[in-house]
Amino acid sequence: DVKVTQSSRYLVKRTGEKVFLECVQDMDHENMFWYRQDPGLGLRLIYFSYDVKMKEKGDIPEGYSVSREKKERFSLILESASTNQTSMYLCASSYGFAGAAGEKLFFGSGTQLSVL
Amino acid sequence: ILNVEQSPQSLHVQEGDSTNFTCSFPSSNFYALHWYRWETAKSPEALFVMTLNGDEKKKGRISATLNTKEGYSYLYIKGSQPEDSATYLCAFCSSNTGKLIFGQGTTLQVKP
Repeated sequence: DVKVTQSSRYLVKRTGEKVFLECVQDMDHENMFWYRQDPGLGLRLIYFSYDVKMKEKGDIPEGYSVSREKKERFSLILESASTNQTSMYLCASSYGFAGAAGEKLFFGSGTQLSVL
Repeated sequence: ILNVEQSPQSLHVQEGDSTNFTCSFPSSNFYALHWYRWETAKSPEALFVMTLNGDEKKKGRISATLNTKEGYSYLYIKGSQPEDSATYLCAFCSSNTGKLIFGQGTTLQVKP
């Protein structure tokens, strides 16, 4: 079974702190994604990566950066956490181009981040 | 801005009831439509990936249909069980952007 592992289930941080959210997948997937989920809104894409050291902005990249030094690991970085970044963060991966026939996303179980 | 709408937002049914919900998406530049089930404290899991107009997919008691010309997909659950309680997400992939746009989800609660 494909496994996408996020390092923390719950995280509490203070405003201004630098925050790292880690995601590891074990199926040699090319593509990795970071989404956030807020009540009443759909999953929104923050950043994605199609290859090692490659990154693309999603729909809401402001206040975030990412790192992909190895194929299996994709990190989301909040440079200076703010209260409006309190959210559920989901990491996902896929082998091919997500949207191509059969190329579903595999998700981690999420990190609930609270910024106080 | 591409919009994906799901209705209803939430649904409460009794065990054994059949139910359905809707995902509406842009009818132009269609590439694929995904359905995911997200149970509390678990990872979202893919149910279906649909690419052709008129597609019908089935997995046990759950099935889905797709109409790309009018921009909607239905998800049906026959004889709902408590373990079907979850949030159901649909996601539209545009051929323009190649990115998935998610709806806000339909939360289903099945009472024993």
